[in-house]
Amino acid sequence: AQSVTQPDIHITVSEGASLELRCNYSYGATPYLFWYVQSPGQGLQLLLKYFSGDTLVQGIKGFEAEFKRSQSSFNLRKPSVHWSDAAEYFCAVEHMEYGNKLVFGAGTILRVKS
Amino acid sequence: EAGVAQSPRYKIIEKRQSVAFWCNPISGHATLYWYQQILGQGPKLLIQFQNNGVVDDSQLPKDRFSAERLKGVDSTLKIQPAKLEDSAVYLCASSLIGVGETQYFGPGTRLLVL
Repeated sequence: AQSVTQPDIHITVSEGASLELRCNYSYGATPYLFWYVQSPGQGLQLLLKYFSGDTLVQGIKGFEAEFKRSQSSFNLRKPSVHWSDAAEYFCAVEHMEYGNKLVFGAGTILRVKS
Repeated sequence: EAGVAQSPRYKIIEKRQSVAFWCNPISGHATLYWYQQILGQGPKLLIQFQNNGVVDDSQLPKDRFSAERLKGVDSTLKIQPAKLEDSAVYLCASSLIGVGETQYFGPGTRLLVL
């Protein structure tokens, strides 16, 4: 079955440290890939998306993600985390074969310690 | 540009009661989505509209949930009767028509069923 896996439920990093959030998908062909962020009491905000081309995608707020076809992964990174980055992060995929609907992972909660 | 509006923000009801949520999408967005986000999980698509027609309602529990989008703009999602397991955040999103178009999310309605 098609799925999106975010292996880490919680991650804690120190302010200023680098961050990598993992995302793996299981689809037959490369889907469209997204990362969203959800702050407490807020809706989801798109950080970045990948359709094709350059496998390193730049997003808002200093985030980037790298698509690796061989690993079916789309990991989110940030070189230096700020306290305001504390939130929940969701990886999502969309595939034409399945009606262009977004399928989300379970999310990773990021805590930032000062 | 105004974002996706949802109301109410919070609702507490007893099981077997009915409840309705309202969504006003971004102006010009033909596609509207309702998601259910249970605590600790990613959002799950309940129903997708394109203009005032249903594109996908395969995961909508039709024995108790209903949704409509009159005139292709505002939408309402209703639960009747509610069950304890319906406690969740209900997110509305909208987008332009097309593959991979960014979905813009509202702040959500947090429902607690007692």
